[in-house]
Amino acid sequence: QKEVEQNSGPLSVPEGAIASLNCTYSDRGSQSFFWYRQYSGKSPELIMFIYSNGDKEDGRFTAQLNKASQYVSLLIRDSQPSDSATYLCAVRMDSSYKLIFGSGTRLLVRP
Amino acid sequence: GAVVSQHPSWVICKSGTSVKIECRSLDFQATTMFWYRQFPKQSLMLMATSNEGSKATYEQGVEKDKFLINHASLTLSTLTVTSAHPEDSSFYICSARDHRGSDEKLFFGSGTQLSVL
Repeated sequence: QKEVEQNSGPLSVPEGAIASLNCTYSDRGSQSFFWYRQYSGKSPELIMFIYSNGDKEDGRFTAQLNKASQYVSLLIRDSQPSDSATYLCAVRMDSSYKLIFGSGTRLLVRP
Repeated sequence: GAVVSQHPSWVICKSGTSVKIECRSLDFQATTMFWYRQFPKQSLMLMATSNEGSKATYEQGVEKDKFLINHASLTLSTLTVTSAHPEDSSFYICSARDHRGSDEKLFFGSGTQLSVL
């Protein structure tokens, strides 16, 4: 079983819609959860991190964490074509600060 | 935000040669840096944790004698791919932890695309 799982997509949404990206993880002791965006051929850039159950909002982005279900999601409101990228979920499972990444979900926002 | 510089951006080399990749934290000190590898359409796979002043910690399945890591200062870590072969062709990315303020942020370098002929 993979430690961090994501649907590879592509997830296609029209411009202006809400895009919902999901991620599950296997280790119940995981402490922190991150969403990164990666454009083709580029390195990942941090969008948000969350470590408490519930929602965390930052502009058009909302991260949601449910530790009981071992589930973390990212909502993108008012999706723009420029949001088209691969979104990587990453989990920090111990105190070493190393991150384990999911395989990423490719998002396509149609104009 | 914190800046992590990685050099070179891309390199093409012949099979059997060694390639060195540098990762620098430009505006903060990084006692810990991480090296990842990413094959096309796959996720980032952690290769090793680079610790300033001590030996790197390698993930299972990563050959420490092939991927030499040196973290000689608080702002520089290097990854040397020794005797590179075509199967080592990949996108190598370093990251560094900026522990100022929130201790959760991990910033990535721009990556190095290695092509071994």
